[in-house]
Amino acid sequence: GAVVSQHPSWVICKSGTSVKIECRSLDFQATTMFWYRQFPKQSLMLMATSNEGSKATYEQGVEKDKFLINHASLTLSTLTVTSAHPEDSSFYICSARDGGLSRDTQYFGPGTRLTVL
Amino acid sequence: KQEVTQIPAALSVPEGENLVLNCSFTDSAIYNLQWFRQDPGKGLTSLLLIQSSQREQTSGRLNASLDKSSGRSTLYIAASQPGDSATYLCAVGGWDDKIIFGKGTRLHILP
Repeated sequence: GAVVSQHPSWVICKSGTSVKIECRSLDFQATTMFWYRQFPKQSLMLMATSNEGSKATYEQGVEKDKFLINHASLTLSTLTVTSAHPEDSSFYICSARDGGLSRDTQYFGPGTRLTVL
Repeated sequence: KQEVTQIPAALSVPEGENLVLNCSFTDSAIYNLQWFRQDPGKGLTSLLLIQSSQREQTSGRLNASLDKSSGRSTLYIAASQPGDSATYLCAVGGWDDKIIFGKGTRLHILP
């Protein structure tokens, strides 16, 4: 089946620094990718939707200048957490939709755990 | 705005028992509904997907039902095993391409 990878799987950074998380579709072209955030014992919350070659659409309450999303190719989307603060510590998961299949087919990555000290 | 609620939040049962996890949603105009499994610190594993026009889906010991009119879905796990211990997430897919997740049910199967 289709595979979505994320890198890194975990990262620890100092407050004020920026962190980039990559989401890759390994064997299919992802026309649309989604970024979610999950706090402990909470549900996954959609942060933004990105389509290849266009600007991401952010959900209400998500700061687009803080969470920069780039979907430059059909197999790669990146999420950059700028000027990270401890409250940004969370589990970030991406998903990708295969443009060649039905809209039902959305594959999830393994997640990236971010800890901001 | 779609809201998804899962009850109970946590459940512990002895091995071998059959169990039911519940999910409710506020807006019945859904595209599909999925059940996922999430192990601690890990990503999501899709278990079952039910289209809005379907009533249920089955995979092995798992059966998921959907009653769109009442805004409810149940996940039935037969003959539970310790390896079933995980968090089970209910996720509602909308016509706007967005998936709304519940908070999950943390299941612990006692050996």
